[in-house]
Amino acid sequence: NAGVTQTPKFQVLKTGQSMTLQCAQDMNHNSMYWYRQDPGMGLRLIYYSASEGTTDKGEVPNGYNVSRLNKREFSLRLESAAPSQTSVYFCASDVRGTGEGYGYTFGSGTRLTVV
Amino acid sequence: DAKTTQPPSMDCAEGRAANLPCNHSTISGNEYVYWYRQIHSQGPQYIIHGLKNNETNEMASLIITEDRKSSTLILPHATLRDTAVYYCIVGSMEYGNKLVFGAGTILRVKS
Repeated sequence: NAGVTQTPKFQVLKTGQSMTLQCAQDMNHNSMYWYRQDPGMGLRLIYYSASEGTTDKGEVPNGYNVSRLNKREFSLRLESAAPSQTSVYFCASDVRGTGEGYGYTFGSGTRLTVV
Repeated sequence: DAKTTQPPSMDCAEGRAANLPCNHSTISGNEYVYWYRQIHSQGPQYIIHGLKNNETNEMASLIITEDRKSSTLILPHATLRDTAVYYCIVGSMEYGNKLVFGAGTILRVKS
């Protein structure tokens, strides 16, 4: 049981380049989330998907797009990377809403540097 | 807007109980209290959650006041590996409801 898998683990981009961060979960969870964490800060929600086929903006969605490809996969795309997007990105999935209530399972993160 | 208030940092001696407080005075009737922790740069890890009653699992105990306006996470015998940022979050079990993370409490366990 791998849980939540994020790829890549590290990435360096030049300003203006684009890339997609991948996230997959094998726990049959309905909801998935993308957070960013800047140095010394808490997590801020970028986008989330309550269920397959739906996506919604979080606190800091500007500069990002997402795709809920299927129930397992939720990707985050940076169309034109900026230095302000240098951060650690965490994907999470959520068993809540199914009656089990154990909260979120997080991936190990993608460390992105934009130069 | 943050729904919880936590002290920014706490110290605890190794082997002693660590008691981490959290205020959530605006908690709604259907909202649970969740605790997560983040060790160094890893992804946050779920610890425990509760609604009204006190809860205990293999990691920690959660004490919720009768009026539900505050709670305490207890690590009964803290070890150096418990040094982490601890997040107290309130949220419902409703489908699609998202959890908002605040700044948390940095717990430093010292030998």
